[in-house]
Amino acid sequence: RKEVEQDPGPFNVPEGATVAFNCTYSNSASQSFFWYRQDCRKEPKLLMSVYSSGNEDGRFTAQLNRASQYISLLIRDSKLSDSATYLCVVNRNHQAGTALIFGKGTTLSVSS
Amino acid sequence: EPEVTQTPSHQVTQMGQEVILRCVPISNHLYFYWYRQILGQKVEFLVSFYNNEISEKSEIFDDQFSVERPDGSNFTLKIRSTKLEDSAMYFCASSERSLGAYNEQFFGPGTRLTVL
Repeated sequence: RKEVEQDPGPFNVPEGATVAFNCTYSNSASQSFFWYRQDCRKEPKLLMSVYSSGNEDGRFTAQLNRASQYISLLIRDSKLSDSATYLCVVNRNHQAGTALIFGKGTTLSVSS
Repeated sequence: EPEVTQTPSHQVTQMGQEVILRCVPISNHLYFYWYRQILGQKVEFLVSFYNNEISEKSEIFDDQFSVERPDGSNFTLKIRSTKLEDSAMYFCASSERSLGAYNEQFFGPGTRLTVL
């Protein structure tokens, strides 16, 4: 089983739509969780960390279910500029200096 | 906003040659990382570095790879004898040492390595 799994998409949605991405991770000892965004041929950029209680940042909402080892990202009111690949990322512990494990990403295309 | 920088942006080399990829992490960060991404594939961890030592390395990071912090600002990845399969985007990242907080790593723009 892959350490971090995501639906590759692509998700093609119109502007203003709400879209949800899901991710599962295999290592139950994982401690930290993130969503990164990657534009074509660019570096991953941190979108948001995912906290146990769930958290929101503007149009973006992240949820974590440790029992199911499941992470989600909800994007409301999609913009053209949201078109990118969204990477689910897991860190095995809270300590700095440990590896981030990336999913392959889910591609989102928002059209007008 | 402080950022990680990398040079060169694109490196073309012949198989068997040595290459050095350079990174300048964010100035107050203490942990440094190298990742790679082969075209069309996921980002993969190579190595992390703290206090002039390797903290963790993946099975990809074999004897042909080495890392160094030659001075107070640069962090380098050396590939001793490049293979065709080393062709990839190489990302440097850095993070603060912040106990109890999330290990938020910030990535540089990458160096695209092409091995011919």
